[in-house]
Amino acid sequence: IVLTQSPGTLSLSPGDRATLSCRASQSVDSGHLAWYQQKPGQAPRFLMADASSRATDIPDRFSASGSGTDFTLSISRLEPEDFAVYYCHQYGTSPRTFGQGTKVEIK
Amino acid sequence: QVQLVQSGPEVKKPGASVKVSCKASGYTFVNYYIHWVRQAPGQGLEWMGIINPSSGATNYAQEFQGRVIITSDTSTNTVYMELNTLKSEDTAVYFCARSSGWYLAIDYWGRGTLVSVAS
Repeated sequence: IVLTQSPGTLSLSPGDRATLSCRASQSVDSGHLAWYQQKPGQAPRFLMADASSRATDIPDRFSASGSGTDFTLSISRLEPEDFAVYYCHQYGTSPRTFGQGTKVEIK
Repeated sequence: QVQLVQSGPEVKKPGASVKVSCKASGYTFVNYYIHWVRQAPGQGLEWMGIINPSSGATNYAQEFQGRVIITSDTSTNTVYMELNTLKSEDTAVYFCARSSGWYLAIDYWGRGTLVSVAS
């Protein structure tokens, strides 16, 4: 399953709302889609599972939704620490695949 | 706390092999699957394969079939990823990561191991 994320780069200011899209080439089984945040030189950090369930200790300004082939990650009010690259990942069909990432940068 | 501690950076020549280790602690080793995911410089994430540390069952991405071997040692809570016939395009950071089921989300990642392939 090919995952296509858009936009490639999102230029926003702290306090803005961010909306990231992830589109799958075919339906993602059982909504098995996750989101990860990655900062330079670090490992990815687990944000969301099963399309909309926040991982432990993830702030509630992060939310996600979607099913089938269209998924969205939203960040309601960007904090300085939220500027990073975000990846979607489907784990319902082997081989697992990742999107190419959306970079959220400071405008 | 959960830790996935990976071995140090490697420099290899084309055609050689590399074996990267991932030692788990802070949780019951056999209750979680271990994945290997790589990231070339400036690029995205690429899933390579998964192992059930308890049974040793594996599944590899087609791209790496025949070139990658993932093994586990339950006596030391360590998973190994061996990649053979290295090419310059294999230069990347290799991450191990865990999930609580074969088809469940990855919830924790190691810090990564840089493998550089150059003549």
